[in-house]
Amino acid sequence: GAVVSQHPSRVICKSGTSVKIECRSLDFQATTMFWYRQFPKQSLMLMATSNEGSKATYEQGVEKDKFLINHASLTLSTLTVTSAHPEDSSFYICSARLAGRDEQYFGPGTRLTVT
Amino acid sequence: AQSVAQPEDQVNVAEGNPLTVKCTYSVSGNPYLFWYVQYPNRGLQFLLKYITGDNLVKGSYGFEAEFNKSQTSFHLKKPSALVSDSALYFCAVRGSSGGYNKLIFGAGTRLAVHP
Repeated sequence: GAVVSQHPSRVICKSGTSVKIECRSLDFQATTMFWYRQFPKQSLMLMATSNEGSKATYEQGVEKDKFLINHASLTLSTLTVTSAHPEDSSFYICSARLAGRDEQYFGPGTRLTVT
Repeated sequence: AQSVAQPEDQVNVAEGNPLTVKCTYSVSGNPYLFWYVQYPNRGLQFLLKYITGDNLVKGSYGFEAEFNKSQTSFHLKKPSALVSDSALYFCAVRGSSGGYNKLIFGAGTRLAVHP
């Protein structure tokens, strides 16, 4: 149980285009989902926290107009990187938390490369 | 402010020997502590957590961790390492008050188990 999927697993896009990444909780309802960014050989940096049906809470320094988060249902959250630039290239990981549980369950990650 | 320190970038262990991956934390209130493992190009997998109760916590794949309040530590241990344990290990903390949903991750420790 507690499986989280991400799609796509890998995406290459051109500078200036937008990319959408989906995060789904497959066998549970996630009241809260989190989006992280991980640079090579570094730890995870929390970008934003999203609760179903409400606006995401962004961490300091994360541009909410650039990284659009939509948590439309209890099993789906999307991250859209708008007007992508090469410096947005990174490994993006989502996680989901079950109501009443403490741990987060992580998706497999999406590697974004902007050329 | 909440923080997590993993003082070792890499730990090298011979197969069959015991392993320890160190973690210390700083948090206001009672800590919620977690260990996650990450394999190459994958998301994080939950290993174990400490919320309350017994200081020795047992988790997945034979791993365990000991909560030491006086030393503010939560070291990950395994009695006998396997080559397949080679991966990146992250310690994380969540405070029990204020921003309680957020996990703060350490920088990660790469475990290399040699045959």
